[in-house]
Amino acid sequence: DQQVKQNSPSLSVQEGRISILNCDYTNSMFDYFLWYKKYPAEGPTFLISISSIKDKNEDGRFTVFLNKSAKHLSLHIVPSQPGDSAVYFCAASAFQGAQKLVFGQGTRLTINP
Amino acid sequence: EAGVAQSPRYKIIEKRQSVAFWCNPISGHATLYWYQQILGQGPKLLIQFQNNGVVDDSQLPKDRFSAERLKGVDSTLKIQPAKLEDSAVYLCASSLDPAGYNEQFFGPGTRLTVL
Repeated sequence: DQQVKQNSPSLSVQEGRISILNCDYTNSMFDYFLWYKKYPAEGPTFLISISSIKDKNEDGRFTVFLNKSAKHLSLHIVPSQPGDSAVYFCAASAFQGAQKLVFGQGTRLTINP
Repeated sequence: EAGVAQSPRYKIIEKRQSVAFWCNPISGHATLYWYQQILGQGPKLLIQFQNNGVVDDSQLPKDRFSAERLKGVDSTLKIQPAKLEDSAVYLCASSLDPAGYNEQFFGPGTRLTVL
């Protein structure tokens, strides 16, 4: 069962505009959510996270929004830059003392000059 | 600070052969993870160690996969015998402290192709 879903395999955005990546989850026990960024031939790197007690977390150009009632989160990147072109993974965790992350399938973001 | 090291970076084998992957986590990180990432999917946790003990191996196909973390530092993941569906990138990650939410740092991965 796919507990974390990213329904858009790819997204193309013009440089300087806003990129919005979406993620849905089904497990109501998830209480911590993360976004990872992955370049080719590299491992994923942590980007930003949000706890379920918040609905927004901002870090520079990156903002994550959480809608618990809809079991939906989104990552906003503004303004988008060519270096943002990568695969973005949404991940979720339910605190079980084991920090187990469940990942979505990923969205490939391409920023066009 | 050195990152998570993995070797080899690429491996091609035939089905039914054996293969082993090595991971050296960030110094001082107590928790080590092995993930399998099949093309077009997100990483899936195979096994998690805290120091040299197994915390979670519920998704590890134990009939063919094995992993160990001797002395609570380096770790090896072995597949014996390999199947075609094992073709994937195997990612190792480590985090500082299992308590609370600590960032997981990933290595570059080992791309395995089973022919």
